[in-house]
Amino acid sequence: AQSVTQLDSQVPVFEEAPVELRCNYSSSVSVYLFWYVQYPNQGLQLLLKYLSGSTLVKGINGFEAEFNKSQTSFHLRKPSVHISDTAEYFCAVSGTSGTYKYIFGTGTRLKVLA
Amino acid sequence: AAGVIQSPRHLIKEKRETATLKCYPIPRHDTVYWYQQGPGQDPQFLISFYEKMQSDKGSIPDRFSAQQFSDYHSELNMSSLELGDSALYFCASSLSGAGGNTIYFGEGSWLTVV
Repeated sequence: AQSVTQLDSQVPVFEEAPVELRCNYSSSVSVYLFWYVQYPNQGLQLLLKYLSGSTLVKGINGFEAEFNKSQTSFHLRKPSVHISDTAEYFCAVSGTSGTYKYIFGTGTRLKVLA
Repeated sequence: AAGVIQSPRHLIKEKRETATLKCYPIPRHDTVYWYQQGPGQDPQFLISFYEKMQSDKGSIPDRFSAQQFSDYHSELNMSSLELGDSALYFCASSLSGAGGNTIYFGEGSWLTVV
């Protein structure tokens, strides 16, 4: 079984500042890792994913994440945020076989301040 | 590109009533997932279907049932509704196969039980 921990429930940051949203996972087997963004009253949109290969993954909207197996982390970063990045961000993990169901973290609310 | 279609988008039901949510996966996707997201919570996996057969089961109440039809669309049936069933219900789909699955989410169906 897998689990995901997002330690920060809320992260306020000023516009054009860098941000890092933390995600740690637990699993006894190999995993795939994902970051999704949810804007108010909307569905879940995939930002990026790590399946294998390079541990630095680049996604949409200027986001990137780095898979660190030794620290079981998959932190999301953006060098300069915009007001429009204000949203809820979910980290998710799945196994690499079977039904690929996702286990989500509890989410981090990113609030970008002007 | 075609996305996951969910209907209805909004539904209001009274306690003890029955509700049915429909999901039309992305064409050629063979796996459908249902998730429940309560207010301010992370999405919780309910159930999934692969090639019209139930493939995995999560925290789905016994009052709920689901199935996937021959055209791959899926329906989530919820009976004896309770106030706590008020949530955003996501359907998602994916194409099974090697290399890791990306799950694509619909916009969700808002269920309010009054």
